[in-house]
Amino acid sequence: GENVEQHPSTLSVQEGDSAVIKCTYSDSASNYFPWYKQELGKRPQLIIDIRSNVGEKKDQRIAVTLNKTAKHFSLHITETQPEDSAVYFCAASLGFKTIFGAGTRLFVKA
Amino acid sequence: NAGVTQTPKFQVLKTGQSMTLQCAQDMNHEYMSWYRQDPGMGLRLIHYSVGAGITDQGEVPNGYNVSRSTTEDFPLRLLSAAPSQTSVYFCASSYSAGGYTFGSGTRLTVV
Repeated sequence: GENVEQHPSTLSVQEGDSAVIKCTYSDSASNYFPWYKQELGKRPQLIIDIRSNVGEKKDQRIAVTLNKTAKHFSLHITETQPEDSAVYFCAASLGFKTIFGAGTRLFVKA
Repeated sequence: NAGVTQTPKFQVLKTGQSMTLQCAQDMNHEYMSWYRQDPGMGLRLIHYSVGAGITDQGEVPNGYNVSRSTTEDFPLRLLSAAPSQTSVYFCASSYSAGGYTFGSGTRLTVV
């Protein structure tokens, strides 16, 4: 079945710097790749997603890139702010089944 | 719209007890899933459903049962609770193959 690996597990950046989180997936048939943000004690929330027919998608300060050949995708956050501090999860979906990475804890230092 | 509603929010069980975690959504979403979240392990898929009457196993289905008699409800049953099932459980739903809306979670402790 699908396996999603996510790196790094912890990331610390200075406010205003960029943050990059990388994920790889194993099933080349996966066709939908969402990213979720989870603040402490809260539920995960969808922040951006990309489908397999698109290479890059941007929404204000966040962007996601997808390399289908290499089976990896990345989340880029620019101009980080303290409120970006949270756990971020990548996921890969094939039809109805979504498998998540283990998460990245992002700390943004003011 | 209430979104995805999970009950209870907290539960303590003794080893061997059974219980049902409730999940309901009012968005007419086809897809519903149950995940468990453990420290350092992300969200692991327990069971999922693509519509009323259709369910399938995820990554960690052992010890859990589900049913989907209506589009709105997707309960998760723990058959005989074990300490290894101590976790936070999230129910999630989506319309078609898109991003999930998650419930607020159930924190379960098995002693």
